[in-house]
Parts: sequence; structure tokens; C-alpha cells
Amino acid sequence: QKEVEQNSGPLSVPEGAIASLNCTYSDRGSQSFFWYRQYSGKSPELIMSIYSNGDKEDGRFTAQLNKASQYVSLLIRDSQPSDSATYLCAVIASKIIFGSGTRLSIRP
Amino acid sequence: KAGVTQTPRYLIKTRGQQVTLSCSPISGHRSVSWYQQTPGQGLQFLFEYFSETQRNKGNFPGRFSGRQFSNSRSEMNVSTLELGDSALYLCASSRGLAGVGNEQFFGPGTRLTVL
Repeated sequence: QKEVEQNSGPLSVPEGAIASLNCTYSDRGSQSFFWYRQYSGKSPELIMSIYSNGDKEDGRFTAQLNKASQYVSLLIRDSQPSDSATYLCAVIASKIIFGSGTRLSIRP
Repeated sequence: KAGVTQTPRYLIKTRGQQVTLSCSPISGHRSVSWYQQTPGQGLQFLFEYFSETQRNKGNFPGRFSGRQFSNSRSEMNVSTLELGDSALYLCASSRGLAGVGNEQFFGPGTRLTVL
């Protein structure tokens, strides 16, 4: 089992809809969770950080954390073509581990 | 505020050579982490430096080394290059230790090709 797992996609979502990206992790001691967006040929860009159970909202983005179930998710409301990218989940326990990323495609 | 900068942006080397990559963090950030990104392995953590000391290390061979200077700038060195070292090398900076949860911000990366 990978330490941080993400569905590789591609996840295709119509413009204007909600995109839901999921990430599961194996280390119960994990305390810090991050979502990054990476456009093709570019470096990762931090979108959200979340440290406590529950939801955290920032504009069109909502991160959700459930430590009991060991998952963290990212919701993108009103999806735009510019949201088409690979989304990376990062989890920190004793070390920093990135998931392999989910490719998101927003179709017009 | 200037972001993380990395030099050079592109490098072509041959097997057996060595290479040094440079990273300047965001002003005020004291931690620098290095990552290797390849299509097959994804983004993998190499090491983190804080206050000129290596604080955390990933599972890479000793050919990969780094250092940090008193102004927080960092260099990464890869000796005896192998074909499999071809990758995008990313540097990320954070105010405090990334390993305890501080937000990291990535530079544009150095694309290394080993022939």
C-alpha cells in the first residue's frame, strides 16, 4: 500500500460543476496536509493547507480532512477550464510524502 | 516579494559527471527542501535544510548531497551522474521546518538531462 494514494485520473468535469479530488494516507500520525496544483511543465503551486478535522474554505476551493478515516479531499466549485491541471496531495508525519497526483480536465 | 529562484533552469550532462544546482529561498524563509520529480516516481523528497543543517533526508543514495549557507541559499550536488538522474529538480522554501507542517513554496525547477 502506498503511503499517500490518489486516483491518477484523468478526472473529467464539465465547466461550472464541482470537481472532487481525494487522497488517502496510511500514517495515522500525520498532522499536516496540503494540496498543490501543477500545470504541465510548471512547478507545484500551493492551494490549501489543512491541519484540523473538518472543512476549510478559500474562494472556490474547500479542503476536507477526516483523520479517523485517513483521507483528505479538495473540492473545486464552479470549475473553470483554467483549473485543468494535476493536483498533488502532500502529507506530513515524520516525513514529507506527496501523492502521485490526479489529472483534472475541465471540459467546456 | 520575490519567489523562490533556481539556477540553472536547464542542464545537460553526461554519465559520470557531477552537477551543482542552486536555490534562493523567499526572503525571510529559513528552510529549503529539495525534491526530484520524474514521470514514473512522482515527486520525491531528497532533503531539507534549516539554519545550515540538514534536518531531514529522503531515501536517495549518497551521491545526492546538499548544503545551506548563512543567507539560507542552498545548493544540491549530484555526483557520478546516472541516466536515471534525469529529472526535474525542485526546491521549496518555508519559514520554518517543512517537516513539522510549515507551508512550502516551490521554485520553477531545474530540468536535468543526463546523456
